[in-house]
Amino acid sequence: GESVGLHLPTLSVQEGDNSIINCAYSNSASDYFIWYKQESGKGPQFIIDIRSNMDKRQGQRVTVLLNKTVKHLSLQIAATQPGDSAVYFCAENIRGGYQKVTFGTGTKLQVIP
Amino acid sequence: EADIYQTPRYLVIGTGKKITLECSQTMGHDKMYWYQQDPGMELHLIHYSYGVNSTEKGDLSSESTVSRIRTEHFPLTLESARPSHTSQYLCASSKHPTSGTTDTQYFGPGTRLTVL
Repeated sequence: GESVGLHLPTLSVQEGDNSIINCAYSNSASDYFIWYKQESGKGPQFIIDIRSNMDKRQGQRVTVLLNKTVKHLSLQIAATQPGDSAVYFCAENIRGGYQKVTFGTGTKLQVIP
Repeated sequence: EADIYQTPRYLVIGTGKKITLECSQTMGHDKMYWYQQDPGMELHLIHYSYGVNSTEKGDLSSESTVSRIRTEHFPLTLESARPSHTSQYLCASSKHPTSGTTDTQYFGPGTRLTVL
């Protein structure tokens, strides 16, 4: 079909290095944020989320940082592995009325063995 | 692992055919969604539902229609498929958030549709 929107930016990282994937959001009313991982041919899979009243949250090998001042979100992956190769989407949940989750553009992570 | 299913996983069909993409979830989620995604591209919301008998159009205009007669089922229909409908269609669901919970969406595996 005809493609709409933007092609995804790509981040290439050496295996074992740390990866940092960035995301900018625009809505100050967003009350929490979610990172998803989408492997080729599959649906997005939840990784980690963070509420707007937090600056940092850690999971297994992943850390999400939230900077509300500049409306910026990042996902850090420690000791990147080949299995981390995927497209990563951030999503924001916008408060007020019917809640709505809006997905960001996405970043393709390529892990170089 | 989320319990949300989509069938078929792959569908190749001729122009003008009517098709229905199935989506079911067994988690009792109130909210369900359909997204369209071309390879290497963003997710675009095309339909969503907040519960039985509730359907809304999403951010991206789509010629498809949806229905929500049962909580667990959210089928998407194309009355007359065209090559421009070739894409991946992803279904998702989420639980209506209560105090302390979030509105995280869980996705199905997707249906890759090719219209010849």
